[in-house]
Amino acid sequence: DVKVTQSSRYLVKRTGEKVFLECVQDMDHENMFWYRQDPGLGLRLIYFSYDVKMKEKGDIPEGYSVSREKKERFSLILESASTNQTSMYLCASRAPGGGSGPGYTFGSGTRLTVV
Amino acid sequence: GENVEQHPSTLSVQEGDSAVIKCTYSDSASNYFPWYKQELGKRPQLIIDIRSNVGEKKDQRIAVTLNKTAKHFSLHITETQPEDSAVYFCAAIPNQAGTALIFGKGTTLSVSS
Repeated sequence: DVKVTQSSRYLVKRTGEKVFLECVQDMDHENMFWYRQDPGLGLRLIYFSYDVKMKEKGDIPEGYSVSREKKERFSLILESASTNQTSMYLCASRAPGGGSGPGYTFGSGTRLTVV
Repeated sequence: GENVEQHPSTLSVQEGDSAVIKCTYSDSASNYFPWYKQELGKRPQLIIDIRSNVGEKKDQRIAVTLNKTAKHFSLHITETQPEDSAVYFCAAIPNQAGTALIFGKGTTLSVSS
């Protein structure tokens, strides 16, 4: 089974801090994704990457950046955390195959609280 | 870009009844439609998916139907059980490299015994 591991399950940060959320997958997947999940809003795409050093903006990239220096690791960066970034963050990976193909494998999520 | 609408947002049924969740999508290039189940405190898990060259797919008590002309697809759960209680998400993705799944807002299904 593919394992997608997010480094922290719960995180509390202060407003203005720079925050790093780490995600690692162990199946050599090319595609990796960051979503945030909020009640009533579903999963919203922040950024994704289809190769090392490649990144694409999703629907809500403002206030976030990403880093993909190695194939297995995809990091989400909050440059200056704000309270409206308090959310559940989900990382996912997917095997190659163009737009269609097998579904994603999700990590367990990081619940970030910004105070 | 793709936009996925999902209804209803909440659904309550009695054990043994059927449940239907409906989604519409906007991008006619979308050709892959998965459904995810998320139990409380857990990660979303793929439960069934369908590709655009198929109209219906069934796996035991769950089935998905797709109407490409109308751009809508539905999840059907028969003989519901309390363990079916969860949040269900539909999603869609265009048949292009370098794209990502776009999800609906989710349906909270409650099955009471």
